[in-house]
Amino acid sequence: KQEVTQIPAALSVPEGENLVLNCSFTDSAIYNLQWFRQDPGKGLTSLLLIQSSQREQTSGRLNASLDKSSGRSTLYIAASQPGDSATYLCAVRDDKIIFGKGTRLHILP
Amino acid sequence: GAVVSQHPSRVICKSGTSVKIECRSLDFQATTMFWYRQFPKKSLMLMATSNEGSKATYEQGVEKDKFLINHASLTLSTLTVTSAHPEDSSFYICSARDPKGERGGGSYNEQFFGPGTRLTVL
Repeated sequence: KQEVTQIPAALSVPEGENLVLNCSFTDSAIYNLQWFRQDPGKGLTSLLLIQSSQREQTSGRLNASLDKSSGRSTLYIAASQPGDSATYLCAVRDDKIIFGKGTRLHILP
Repeated sequence: GAVVSQHPSRVICKSGTSVKIECRSLDFQATTMFWYRQFPKKSLMLMATSNEGSKATYEQGVEKDKFLINHASLTLSTLTVTSAHPEDSSFYICSARDPKGERGGGSYNEQFFGPGTRLTVL
């Protein structure tokens, strides 16, 4: 049974710092991995989608990597801003999409 | 713009009533849609897979008679919470799979998520 774990559960960093969010999954037989952002009380915003054959994806200040064999992904956020404060969810897709519990990120002004 | 819409975005109802939530794919035909539930500070959990023209497939522990799913067209799936109780209060999110990549940009078989519906049962 696929399980997705995100560490840390919460993170506070000063504005301007670079940071890394971690995601691990137990079954490496996935189609893709996706990172989402969720603001309080809101739906999901897709940030990056990495297909199983890919190693990384980049969008602006965000970079996501995927190491399928080790069951790990990281989301790197460069030059963090207060507007980056949100919960970041990692999700893997095999025959279903399984979500992690998320990392609550707070960027301190 | 929005790819998948949900209606309503927020609903408050009395205990014992039924509530219907709609999920629409706006610019592609979705033969498969998914319903998720998210409790406060918890992960999104898949409730059921909705297939156009056939019965939904429910995840273990989800009561199919309580959460009625209808996927009557290629762009619409509905979730009806019957005889709602306070413990059903949650954030419900749907997603739709684009099986043909109609949206373009390499969206083949990608899932797109709706904005969610906040249900509060008093």
